[in-house]
Amino acid sequence: GENVEQHPSTLSVQEGDSAVIKCTYSDSASNYFPWYKQELGKRPQLIIDIRSNVGEKKDQRIAVTLNKTAKHFSLHITETQPEDSAVYFCAASEAGNMLTFGGGTRLMVKP
Amino acid sequence: DVKVTQSSRYLVKRTGEKVFLECVQDMDHENMFWYRQDPGLGLRLIYFSYDVKMKEKGDIPEGYSVSREKKERFSLILESASTNQTSMYLCASSGSYSYEQYFGPGTRLTVT
Repeated sequence: GENVEQHPSTLSVQEGDSAVIKCTYSDSASNYFPWYKQELGKRPQLIIDIRSNVGEKKDQRIAVTLNKTAKHFSLHITETQPEDSAVYFCAASEAGNMLTFGGGTRLMVKP
Repeated sequence: DVKVTQSSRYLVKRTGEKVFLECVQDMDHENMFWYRQDPGLGLRLIYFSYDVKMKEKGDIPEGYSVSREKKERFSLILESASTNQTSMYLCASSGSYSYEQYFGPGTRLTVT
């Protein structure tokens, strides 16, 4: 089955700096890669996703890049703000429905 | 707005008890999921249902069963709760035309 590894497990940045979270996956058949954000005490919510036919996708301050050859993908957050503080999960899927999640990254943005 | 609700936010059960966790979604989604969330392990899929009465095992189905008798409702059953099933349980749903999963608020289960 699919295995997704996520690094780092914790990340602390100053407000305004950039943050990068990296994930690797094992199944070369995976073709859908979402990122979920979970604020403290709340439910995970999808923030961005990418499919294997594109290498990069942006949405305002967040972007995701995908390298299918190397089997890794990354989340980039620019100009971080305190409200970006949360746990971020990457995931991978072949069929889209059954997701395999990474272990999560706790991002702390210091004002 | 998609709404996914779970029957309890907090639950305390004794070892050996039968435990029912219920999830209801109001968006007529075909797919429903049960995950458990543990620190450092992310979200691990227990079971997935793609239609009424249909189910597929996820990564960690041992010790769990599920029931989906109606499209909007998906139940997770712990036949005989054990202390290693103490965890946060999250339900999610998704439709046929989008892979986005909508999560419920979670049930924190403690087995003593």
